Amino acid sequence: DSGVTQTPKHLITATGQRVTLRCSPRSGDLSVYWYQQSLDQGLQFLIQYYNGEERAKGNILERFSAQQFPDLHSELNLSSLELGDSALYFCASSVAVLGDTQYFGPGTRLTVL
Amino acid sequence: TQLLEQSPQFLSIQEGENLTVYCNSSSVFSSLQWYRQEPGEGPVLLVTVVTGGEVKKLKRLTFQFGDARKDSSLHITAAQPGDTGLYLCAGVWNTDKLIFGTGTRLQVFP
Repeated sequence: DSGVTQTPKHLITATGQRVTLRCSPRSGDLSVYWYQQSLDQGLQFLIQYYNGEERAKGNILERFSAQQFPDLHSELNLSSLELGDSALYFCASSVAVLGDTQYFGPGTRLTVL
Repeated sequence: TQLLEQSPQFLSIQEGENLTVYCNSSSVFSSLQWYRQEPGEGPVLLVTVVTGGEVKKLKRLTFQFGDARKDSSLHITAAQPGDTGLYLCAGVWNTDKLIFGTGTRLQVFP
């Protein structure tokens, strides 16, 4: 158990819909990262938040957005969903900066039908 | 675009054999990490290498960072079924991006 929790574990929805994925970091960690893992694209870094502020951005689509709240939990919002958005979405947390050890949550499996 | 290519993509071996996984890029990374991911779980960090030429050992696993900090290798001695999983290298680039490799799926048969 990494100490990072993600909900829900599975999500099935239809194209065009909007979903919210939630992540609670390990106690004491200030940074939260979001990743997308699909069979054809591998593990892709989406975005990092540090203590409530956006810190680094990766291959995140404009239809996707994220935020980190004062209690340090984070949410990833995916809108106008397409079939190709079906993937595993992982959240990870670390103490501070990008090079720190990242602890990954168990992931949310999103299926878009 | 920074890319990390891993080879081989798939590896299926018998228990007791040795293997090496390679992670290559044309970019210089400030550090490089290796993860193992098991089905249904998130990746777990195995090691971080920072200095060019650095070698780190973790029981039967040996990690090496290339002198130019563009490549890395993971060598497993006497593989065991418990080593089965997806091995991912990840490079920290320009201090604000983490690029994951394409992955090597290892299957060790008893």
